Formats: sequence, structure tokens, C-alpha cells
Amino acid sequence: KQEVTQIPAALSVPEGENLVLNCSFTDSAIYNLQWFRQDPGKGLTSLLLIQSSQREQTSGRLNASLDKSSGRSTLYIAASQPGDSATYLCAVRTNYGQNFVFGPGTRLSVLP
Amino acid sequence: EAGVAQSPRYKIIEKRQSVAFWCNPISGHATLYWYQQILGQGPKLLIQFQNNGVVDDSQLPKDRFSAERLKGVDSTLKIQPAKLEDSAVYLCASSLEFGKRNTEAFFGQGTRLTVV
Repeated sequence: KQEVTQIPAALSVPEGENLVLNCSFTDSAIYNLQWFRQDPGKGLTSLLLIQSSQREQTSGRLNASLDKSSGRSTLYIAASQPGDSATYLCAVRTNYGQNFVFGPGTRLSVLP
Repeated sequence: EAGVAQSPRYKIIEKRQSVAFWCNPISGHATLYWYQQILGQGPKLLIQFQNNGVVDDSQLPKDRFSAERLKGVDSTLKIQPAKLEDSAVYLCASSLEFGKRNTEAFFGQGTRLTVV
């Protein structure tokens, strides 16, 4: 059974810092991995989707990497801004299932 | 392109009452998911549809939860009777095509249920 963990559970940084969020999964037989952002009281917004054959994906100040063999993904946020404050969730889609298995999320606060 | 629509946004009910949530996926998306997100946790899959057929409902508490997807488009999720532990956000998501597992999932705003 696929299990997904995220470290740290919460993170507080000053504006302008670069930061890394970590996601680990137990079963490396994945089809893809998706990073989401969730604002308080809102749904999930897709940030990046990495296929199992890819090593990384970039969108603006965001860069996500994937190392299937070690069961890890990282989300790198450059030059953080207060508007980046949210909960970040990673989710993996396994080879044997069709749905996404989510981690518990990292709650990020970027202080002005 | 319109996103995934859910209603209502908020619902407060007493325990043992019934409640229903509605979801309209992105047009053309064959796969529809219902997730339950308890405060402080990641979403957990309740049920997955491919068109109007159920793909996975292994984590759906079938003694009180039911879901249907009529004509392979809109879907409703029902809880009857509700328990205090059902308080959560219920998220609906859709993706383009079953079998193409590299497609993204898009989520609605969710329905926040409070059972008192």
C-alpha cells in the first residue's frame, strides 16, 4: 500500500528566501506525481505534474524534482513571497491504482 | 475553460441527519473522484468513477455513504445518517481520460461539512 509523507509539517520563512519542501513515498512504482497548493478554506490548485519518466518540471519560481528510485520528490520555491503562504500537498498516482494518494501537506508561512 | 463546480460550499447539520453534495466536472473529463479531507490531513479517496461506472470505492463507508454519477457527467455524494466524525471538506476532482494516467487532476473548491 502506497504511503506518502511530507516534511516539514510546517515552515515559516522571511520573504525573499529560497525554500525546499520534501515529499517521500514508499512504493516507487508510480505513474506520476503532482504538487498542489491549498489556501485556507479553498480547494486544491495544481502546481506541477511530473511524469514517472521525468526528473523535474519547472513553472515560474517553482521547480519540482522526482527521484523514483529513492521515493522522493522536492518542491523548490525561489524568492518566496507572502502570497506563497498556503499548504502544499504532494500526491502520487501508482501503477496499480488509478487514483492519487496524498501526503498530509506542508503548511508554509512567508513573513513580510 | 470552466473548472470543477461543487455545491453547496458549506453545510451544517445535526448528527443522524442526511446531506447531499453535488459536483459538475470539467466538460469532457471521463474520470471523477470524491475525496474526504479531515482538518490537518491530506485528502483521502472515497470513490472514483470512470464515466458512470465505479472504478474504486474500497474506502467508501457504504453503510452510510453513497454516490452516483448519472449519465457519466454530474455526480452526487450522500451521507445518511451523518456522524460527528464525518465533519470534513469533501472535494470533487476530475481528470481527462481513464487509462491515460499522466493526465492532471483538477479539483473543485470543496464542500465544508460540519456535523454537530
